[in-house]
Amino acid sequence: QVQLVESGGGVVQPGRSLRLSCAASGFPFSSYGMHWVRQAPGKGLEWVAVTWYDGSNKYYADSVKGRFTIFRDNSNNTVSLQMNSLRVEDTAVYYCARDKIGGNWYFNLWGRGTLVTVSS
Amino acid sequence: DIQMTQSPSSVSASVGDRVTLTCRASQGIGTWLAWYQRKPGKAPNLLIYAASNLQTGVPSRFSGSGSGTDFTLTINSLQPEDSATYYCLQFNSFPRTFGQGTNVEIK
Repeated sequence: QVQLVESGGGVVQPGRSLRLSCAASGFPFSSYGMHWVRQAPGKGLEWVAVTWYDGSNKYYADSVKGRFTIFRDNSNNTVSLQMNSLRVEDTAVYYCARDKIGGNWYFNLWGRGTLVTVSS
Repeated sequence: DIQMTQSPSSVSASVGDRVTLTCRASQGIGTWLAWYQRKPGKAPNLLIYAASNLQTGVPSRFSGSGSGTDFTLTINSLQPEDSATYYCLQFNSFPRTFGQGTNVEIK
């Protein structure tokens, strides 16, 4: 079954760190770029980061640059998002999404999301 | 960054109506645009890619058009299950940016 399953969300205090993971199955993971997209409560969708299919290129939204790191493990079919120096405004449901191909296209498969709440 | 502006922010229409949603880019993006449908509690669903290409499995009542800066998503013969929020996404450059969404409500 082709799917993406996120995990790792939870409640964390401002300034702390959290790591999200996304497990992929049912497709050749190492052939696809992977993205993280988030949606804050009552807000729209915001793209967060991308890693190319081979990890050679990574891009980030300005709002997370220098604080978040995306990385992947093609041997275990997972993509992760290391989130440091978390802020209240990072509170959101985080989705991992598969790129159409290598990383420079749109998203054609999404997970169900994992909720991150940053609060003291 | 490329700004994406959707209009209207919400629309209410009856079953069977034709609904047209608009997305405008702050600079030309060719046809590097996708449309997504988002229902509460569910992951977004890809409807249209490259401005006018219908994703496999999406009903043919959905169609997209446009290029450059102006794009439209049309829902012909609106159905009850089309009640959702619709987002456009530009994939011309990074950072990827979404429109703010259009909420479609069934009267």
